[in-house]
Amino acid sequence: EADIYQTPRYLVIGTGKKITLECSQTMGHDKMYWYQQDPGMELHLIHYSYGVNSTEKGDLSSESTVSRIRTEHFPLTLESARPSHTSQYLCASSIERPGETQYFGPGTRLLVL
Amino acid sequence: AQKITQTQPGMFVQEKEAVTLDCTYDTSDQSYGLFWYKQPSSGEMIFLIYQGSYDEQNATEGRYSLNFQKARKSANLVISASQLGDSAMYFCAMREGLHQAGTALIFGKGTTLSVSS
Repeated sequence: EADIYQTPRYLVIGTGKKITLECSQTMGHDKMYWYQQDPGMELHLIHYSYGVNSTEKGDLSSESTVSRIRTEHFPLTLESARPSHTSQYLCASSIERPGETQYFGPGTRLLVL
Repeated sequence: AQKITQTQPGMFVQEKEAVTLDCTYDTSDQSYGLFWYKQPSSGEMIFLIYQGSYDEQNATEGRYSLNFQKARKSANLVISASQLGDSAMYFCAMREGLHQAGTALIFGKGTTLSVSS
C-alpha cells in the first residue's frame, strides 16, 4: 500500500486567489494522479505523471496545473480560483502490480466563494 | 457510451447479510483490469479488490469477492456478512490496455450502500 498525504484537507478561499494543493507519497512510486470529484459523483482524471519532469493532462479539462520536480511530491495549483473550482480533489499513486492499482490520499475539499 | 455502468444508485442491507453491488463494463481490449473502491463519508478512496481480465479465478479479499463474468462483461462486488462500517459509496473502475503506459482509471457513478442494525 502507499502512504499518500494531502494538505490541506479543507480549504475555503475567495475568488481570484492562487492556491496550491499539496500531495506527497513516501513509497517512491513513479506514477501519480490527480482526480476531481463533485459531491456524490464519479471521479475524473485531471492530471497524471509517470515520473520526475513528466506531467500530462487527463480526460477532464482543468484550469489547474501540476509539477513533478521530486518523485514524492506532486502539487496542483490554481492560479485564480473561481466558484466553479469548488470540488473535492483526490491524489493517488500506483504500484506496478497488480494492474497498477492506485492508492488514494484523503482528499482536499475546496470551496471557492 | 458509458464504459462503466453501476445501475444501483442505492442499496440497503441488514447487518450480517450478504449484498451484491452490480457493475458492467464495456471494452474491446483483451487486457484490462477491474477495481472496486470504497468511499466513506469522510471522502477518502479505499482500494478493496482487483481482477485482471486474464485471471481465471474470482478475486477474494476477506469479506469481499468479485464475481467476474467475462462473457457478460460484469464484475459484481459481493460483500459477505455486512457490517455497519460498510456503509459508504462504492465505485467500480476499469483500466484498459493493461500492458500499455498512459491508460487511466475509468470510474462508474457509484452505489451508496446503507447497512442497518
